[in-house]
Amino acid sequence: AQTVTQSQPEMSVQEAETVTLSCTYDTSESNYYLFWYKQPPSRQMILVIRQEAYKQQNATENRFSVNFQKAAKSFSLKISDSQLGDTAMYFCAFMKPPYNFNKFYFGSGTKLNVKP
Amino acid sequence: EPEVTQTPSHQVTQMGQEVILRCVPISNHLYFYWYRQILGQKVEFLVSFYNNEISEKSEIFDDQFSVERPDGSNFTLKIRSTRLEDSAMYFCASSTDKNTGELFFGEGSRLTVL
Repeated sequence: AQTVTQSQPEMSVQEAETVTLSCTYDTSESNYYLFWYKQPPSRQMILVIRQEAYKQQNATENRFSVNFQKAAKSFSLKISDSQLGDTAMYFCAFMKPPYNFNKFYFGSGTKLNVKP
Repeated sequence: EPEVTQTPSHQVTQMGQEVILRCVPISNHLYFYWYRQILGQKVEFLVSFYNNEISEKSEIFDDQFSVERPDGSNFTLKIRSTRLEDSAMYFCASSTDKNTGELFFGEGSRLTVL
């Protein structure tokens, strides 16, 4: 079974600063996908960034980047130049393709509060 | 921008009652999902649905649960006889494919079983 662990239940960061959210996972699979999803207060969960395990290059989406350490089974999210709109619950998730019908294993989430 | 919508946002029911949670996925999406989050616990996969049948389901999705797409636009989750442990936030999601991991979630329906 796959497990995803987020050890930081809550974090705060000042606007414009950089913050890193941690995620570790446990799997015996060699090919899988990892994701960060964001859920703003009272809003839908949306995809922030995706990483395929077979790709060595870390994924980047504008101010969001990941540090993927496959051997250590670590997948952290770095948010640069934090903005008030980044305030949200962030979920790390694991999926094992192919043909897995988007069955995710989620972490427990990290609540990020961006302060002005 | 198209969104997944869910109704009701909150439902309170008595144990043993039937509950139907409704979802309207994004119109051109082909894959549909239900996830749930019990308070204080992780978001858990319940079921995926494609081409009018269940593609995959978790151990949680027992005989008390069913899903259907009755009219080509709605996607429903029915709990036949609710239990206290069914109290949770239920999230509907949809996607254009089954493997890329880009799901579009609704805001959730909170179910409270008394």
